[in-house]
This record gives sequence, structure tokens and C-alpha cells, in this order.
Amino acid sequence: EVQLLESGGGSVQPGGSLRLSCAASGFTFNNYAMSWVRQAPGKGLEWVSAISGSGGSAYYADSVKGRFTISRDNSKNTLYLQMNSLRAEDTAMFYCAKATFLRVVPATDAFDIWGQGTMVTVSS
Amino acid sequence: QSALTQPASVSGSPGQSITISCTGTSSDVGGYDYVSWYQQHPGKAPKLMIYDVSNRPSGVSNRLSGSKSGNTASLTISGLQAEDEADYYCSSYTSSTTLAFGGGTKVTVL
Repeated sequence: EVQLLESGGGSVQPGGSLRLSCAASGFTFNNYAMSWVRQAPGKGLEWVSAISGSGGSAYYADSVKGRFTISRDNSKNTLYLQMNSLRAEDTAMFYCAKATFLRVVPATDAFDIWGQGTMVTVSS
Repeated sequence: QSALTQPASVSGSPGQSITISCTGTSSDVGGYDYVSWYQQHPGKAPKLMIYDVSNRPSGVSNRLSGSKSGNTASLTISGLQAEDEADYYCSSYTSSTTLAFGGGTKVTVL
């Protein structure tokens, strides 16, 4: 069964850091681009970042550029999101999502598999 | 990066058809055929319903269809059923090599 399992969420003070992980199983992980998508409480979806299957290319939303870093360890079938300088407005459920196809540019792809999410709360 | 514009809510009676619009610009929706639609039930992860404007993944009901005209994409649900009550989000590739989501539409089955 194709599955994504996020972890690493929690509560942190403004200015703090957190690293999210997403463990993948049931598919050839290094073939597919992966993304992080977040959803603030009661709000809509917001794309955060994407990374190519090899890990050689990364893309970020303007709202997190310079603060968040996406990475992957294909030997461990795991996706990461390092979040620094966290702000109250980063409070959200963070989902990892798998690209459907083998497209070169991740953002052109749709997300066919989603994890259940991990909650990040930034508050003093 | 601006979100795509969707109506906040759409409603219909069982058996009716409804259409959700998703309006962007020539730099996103209008410029590329990379529009997707996701369904999200409360407390659940989103589910892919339409990709590349009008394609349905395996297992998605053929009551759902997608289309695009100019800078506006649309999702139509025909033969509305109680199980269709959920939030729906569109997304589109943008010229900045990023992804934009719509603000979401709450579909209510009356």
C-alpha cells in the first residue's frame, strides 16, 4: 500500500525551529517529486515547497523562502522540511504529498497521495 | 503568489449539477493545462479528483468533470450526492514554477 506518514510537528515559540519528516512506503520513492502543503486552521490549502525525485532541484513559496529548506534522503525513503525563524502565521497542518507522474518540474504535477498531516503551532 | 479565486460556497439538491469556478490569470490557469482539483472532507487529507484540467484518476466518479476557458477553470459535479458534500480546491502551475491553490469552495448538498 502506498503510504505517507508525517511526523515532527509540535508547539514552538516564534523565532524557533522545527524539522518535519515524511516517511514514504509502497512506491519507488526516488522516482517521484514530493511536496509540502500546509493548511492553517479553518483556512485553505497553501503550497509550501517541492523537491525533485533526485533532490537536485527545490522550489519554495515566497512566504517561506529563506526560512524553510526541503530535502530528501532517498536511501531512507524520507522527505524533510527544516523550518527556521517560525512565525505565528506558520501555524498549520503540514501535509506531504506525492507527485502523480514523473514530470521534470514538480509544480506541474498533481498530488495523488497525501499523508494525514502533522500539526505545527507557533505561539508564545 | 496570489491564490486563485473560487466561490466560497456552492449548493445544490441531490441529483442536480453544480459548477465550481477557479479564476486565475494568464500566468497560471490561462497559461498552462496544469490545473488540478482536490476534494477534502472535514478532518481528512485532500484527495485528487481531476488533473491536467479534465482528467480523472482511476477510481474517481465520472460524475465529476473539469474544463477550462481562458483564465477560468471549472469543476462540474453532476447527479449531486450526499457524499459530494466537502470542500473543493483547485490548483494551478504558475509561471514562477510554483503552485497556486484556490481559496476553496464548500459544497453543500441541500
